[in-house]
Amino acid sequence: GENVEQHPSTLSVQEGDSAVIKCTYSDSASNYFPWYKQELGKRPQLIIDIRSNVGEKKDQRIAVTLNKTAKHFSLHITETQPEDSAVYFCAASKTGGGNKLTFGTGTQLKVEL
Amino acid sequence: DAGVIQSPRHEVTEMGQEVTLRCKPISGHNSLFWYRQTMMRGLELLIYFNNNVPIDDSGMPEDRFSAKMPNASFSTLKIQPSEPRDSAVYFCASRPAGVLESEQFFGPGTRLTVL
Repeated sequence: GENVEQHPSTLSVQEGDSAVIKCTYSDSASNYFPWYKQELGKRPQLIIDIRSNVGEKKDQRIAVTLNKTAKHFSLHITETQPEDSAVYFCAASKTGGGNKLTFGTGTQLKVEL
Repeated sequence: DAGVIQSPRHEVTEMGQEVTLRCKPISGHNSLFWYRQTMMRGLELLIYFNNNVPIDDSGMPEDRFSAKMPNASFSTLKIQPSEPRDSAVYFCASRPAGVLESEQFFGPGTRLTVL
């Protein structure tokens, strides 16, 4: 089955700096890659997703890049703010895979003032 | 829309007791997922349903765990008997019908503590 690895497990940045979180996947048939943000004590919520037919997608301060050849994708957050502090999860799934998402282990992002 | 609804939000029970967690997916969603989240193991998929039918239960830890979806608007996850290592946050999520993969909407979770 699919295996998703995520790095780093913790990340501390200064407010205003950029943050990058990286994930690799094992199943070359995977074609959908969402990113979820989970604030302390809250539910995971989708912040951005990308499909395998595009290499990059942006939404304001958040962007995701995908390298299908290398089977890795990354989340980029620019101009970080304290409210970006949370745990971020990457995930992967494939069409015909029964809607099943395989999650990475999470990255605890801390944005310091 | 109220989103995915889970009950109870918190459950404290003693080892050996039966625990039933409940989930109401978003109306019109045809896929439902049960996850367990712990510090040690992260976010694990336990089981998921498509059109009320269990598709993959390979994540269910053992026979003490069972899940049902009697209709499109209700699902339960039961643990019998419960053990302290079952302590975790259990999330239910749902997803709308469609060929392409898309967002899963998570419920608020049930925090289970087994003493």
